[in-house]
Amino acid sequence: DAGITQSPRHKVTETGTPVTLRCHQTENHRYMYWYRQDPGHGLRLIHYSYGVKDTDKGEVSDGYSVSRSKTEDFLLTLESATSSQTSVYFCAISARQGISQETQYFGPGTRLLVL
Amino acid sequence: ELKVEQNPLFLSMQEGKNYTIYCNYSTTSDRLYWYRQDPGKSLESLFVLLSNGAVKQEGRLMASLDTKARLSTLHITAAVHDLSATYFCAVALGRAGGSQGNLIFGKGTKLSVKP
Repeated sequence: DAGITQSPRHKVTETGTPVTLRCHQTENHRYMYWYRQDPGHGLRLIHYSYGVKDTDKGEVSDGYSVSRSKTEDFLLTLESATSSQTSVYFCAISARQGISQETQYFGPGTRLLVL
Repeated sequence: ELKVEQNPLFLSMQEGKNYTIYCNYSTTSDRLYWYRQDPGKSLESLFVLLSNGAVKQEGRLMASLDTKARLSTLHITAAVHDLSATYFCAVALGRAGGSQGNLIFGKGTKLSVKP
């Protein structure tokens, strides 16, 4: 599982409230990613990080912010949650598989319901 | 803009039969990935394909890549019920590492293998 944990695993919140999701890794990987998964859309990249305090936007970044103050933690914040942000959120890290094959490994996911 | 299309999106197979899932992408990339996802679970890395003509096999699954045609296939041989899952292909933007490693996912193929 590449040492990735996500918390919380499930969350129900109300529209307009702030929400922070945490991704924690134990193997000192440099690159970390946040995706959302919705029916009919596959996975879409929200934000990614290429080091401490180094982050950038992905395909669907509106309404989300991220922070990475330590190598092991990558936080995703919904400043004011909306119903359209109801989704399953996956964190991923990039690591080498074998000699040269770099691939992304995914955390267990967080199911978020915004009422 | 890189687009990734999978077909079919739904596939119902009988045990023992063969079938192929197709993954087309719209712009040049040097890496293509296949993932498996069981219901309610995270994504599991199956294959990383790095070069034109690359072929990889694991059990009843074989993946291939034709970079000139911008096409990857996932071939299922003599399907068994345990292969029932959703399969995603993902194509990397740019070169390996960091933002260049951002993945664009297809919408997934939901495979159901029936006895």
